[in-house]
Amino acid sequence: EDQVTQSPEALRLQEGESSSLNCSYTVSGLRGLFWYRQDPGKGPEFLFTLYSAGEEKEKERLKATLTKKESFLHITAPKPEDSATYLCAVQAGGGNTGKLIFGQGTTLQVKP
Amino acid sequence: GAGVSQSPSNKVTEKGKDVELRCDPISGHTALYWYRQSLGQGLEFLIYFQGNSAPDKSGLPSDRFSAERTGGSVSTLTIQRTQQEDSAVYLCASSLVVQGGYYTFGSGTRLTVV
Repeated sequence: EDQVTQSPEALRLQEGESSSLNCSYTVSGLRGLFWYRQDPGKGPEFLFTLYSAGEEKEKERLKATLTKKESFLHITAPKPEDSATYLCAVQAGGGNTGKLIFGQGTTLQVKP
Repeated sequence: GAGVSQSPSNKVTEKGKDVELRCDPISGHTALYWYRQSLGQGLEFLIYFQGNSAPDKSGLPSDRFSAERTGGSVSTLTIQRTQQEDSAVYLCASSLVVQGGYYTFGSGTRLTVV
């Protein structure tokens, strides 16, 4: 069964304190791994797509990496505005669907 | 439109009533998805549309749930005889391509069944 597990569930950082969020996945034929950011009361906002092991993508203070079993979202020198829930999702191969399987998310709080 | 629009943003209904939730995707996006997010839960897939057809309805939790899409655009998710466990945020998303393409989500409809 395709599955996505994120850790930790919650993370508190001081402003400027770098850290990483983990997304472990089990999927039959990975077509893509997606990272989203979700603010309270809003829908998820797309951050990155990774397609193959070894791939990395960066945007401002965020960097996403991918291996064959997990992905990391590295946050460098975070600011309070980075506080949000970060969601990881995978799209499996096979079938005629673009369905994403989401993890439970990591809620990040960055204190000034 | 510029983004995915959902209405209403909030809906409170009595147990046993029917509700309709609407999604207006980004113009030109042929793929449309409905997800449900319950308190403390991850996003749960409900149904996928390609054009007006639904190749994957595997996530609909019961036959009280149905959805349709017309004109390759607007979609409506209908929940009949609502139950308290239906309370959740219902999110709609659209994408330009099916495989490997990222979704753009709407802000969701928060449904509360009392």
